[in-house]
Amino acid sequence: SQELEQSPQSLIVQEGKNLTINCTSSKTLYGLYWYKQKYGEGLIFLMMLQKGGEEKSHEKITAKLDEKKQQSSLHITASQPSHAGIYLCGARPDTGRRALTFGSGTRLQVQP
Amino acid sequence: NAGVTQTPKFQVLKTGQSMTLQCAQDMNHEYMSWYRQDPGMGLRLIHYSVGAGITDQGEVPNGYNVSRSTTEDFPLRLLSAAPSQTSVYFCASSYGQSREKLFFGSGTQLSVL
Repeated sequence: SQELEQSPQSLIVQEGKNLTINCTSSKTLYGLYWYKQKYGEGLIFLMMLQKGGEEKSHEKITAKLDEKKQQSSLHITASQPSHAGIYLCGARPDTGRRALTFGSGTRLQVQP
Repeated sequence: NAGVTQTPKFQVLKTGQSMTLQCAQDMNHEYMSWYRQDPGMGLRLIHYSVGAGITDQGEVPNGYNVSRSTTEDFPLRLLSAAPSQTSVYFCASSYGQSREKLFFGSGTQLSVL
């Protein structure tokens, strides 16, 4: 089965600093999805990547999918306290099941 | 806009009790799913449905039942609660070609003593 590993597991940064979160798959990704979870709430969709080499940005968050489609990175520029939360990557499994599997998440704290 | 509504938000059960976690969506989404979130393990898929009358198992289905009699509702039943089922449960829905863009409820925190 496909496994998604996220690194780091947790991250504490000072406000204004840049940071990167990685998501690595054990198999080729047929779609990679980034979600954010605020503490105590449900997940919110951020971005979807499907093509090798694809890069998407939304406000100060940029996500990339590498050419081999086995790793994705999420980069936050000039972090703000509003960026705090848990970031999870999700992927379509290769089993034909039409539901996402998720990584274990990266917990981000942004200190003012 | 209500979106995906989960009830209850918190629940405490004793081992062996049964209960149903409710999930309703008002977006006419055909896909619905249940996940559980445990510390350090991310989200794990319990059951999912691709439409009314159709359900299938996810990664961790044991101890849980689901049914999908209407497009709007997708309840999750715990048959005989066990401490290992202490978790935060999330319901999600999606539609059409964007089925991986999930809309999540706010979760149910369940403790089994």
